[in-house]
Amino acid sequence: AQSVSQHNHHVILSEAASLELGCNYSYGGTVNLFWYVQYPGQHLQLLLKYFSGDPLVKGIKGFEAEFIKSKFSFNLRKPSVQWSDTAEYFCAVNAYTGRRALTFGSGTRLQVQP
Amino acid sequence: DAMVIQNPRYQVTQFGKPVTLSCSQTLNHNVMYWYQQKSSQAPKLLFHYYDKDFNNEADTPDNFQSRRPNTSFCFLDIRSPGLGDAAMYLCATSRQGHLETQYFGPGTRLLVL
Repeated sequence: AQSVSQHNHHVILSEAASLELGCNYSYGGTVNLFWYVQYPGQHLQLLLKYFSGDPLVKGIKGFEAEFIKSKFSFNLRKPSVQWSDTAEYFCAVNAYTGRRALTFGSGTRLQVQP
Repeated sequence: DAMVIQNPRYQVTQFGKPVTLSCSQTLNHNVMYWYQQKSSQAPKLLFHYYDKDFNNEADTPDNFQSRRPNTSFCFLDIRSPGLGDAAMYLCATSRQGHLETQYFGPGTRLLVL
């Protein structure tokens, strides 16, 4: 069965600091990869996704993620965070097994201090 | 705006008292999902409908049931809630399935007394 690991449970950064959130998955075949974000009091929404092609994916609000197949990783990055990036970030994977479900990581709570 | 709506946002029930959570969508998506999310944990899929085709996850307890009377609505029924069922319940939709982005509702927080 596929699984997703997010190594950082809680990250605290100052504004303008760079961000990298780790995500590793366990599945040897073809995968679709997602990062979702949940701002305080709001619903989960898609930040970016990777299906195929260029392994460096750009999403909304200046976020990007890089798919490294050899490392089974899909880390999220942003060069300079803002206070408004305070949120919980979830990595999710869907493997090409015919199953339509997403497997989520346990999430990383990002707190950006002004 | 097209969206996924969940009602109620907060639900309090008593131990063993059946409860129904509601989800509706204006996106006209084929697939609707129910996830359970406990505090500080990942959302966990309970089941999903592809059109009228119901797909239950192997580890979803029998206590959880679902109904999809039409494309727009999907219900989560918890027949006899236990204390361990207190959680956030998330509804999501996607157009066709696993290749598609899932769109989430705001969730219903269930408290079991």
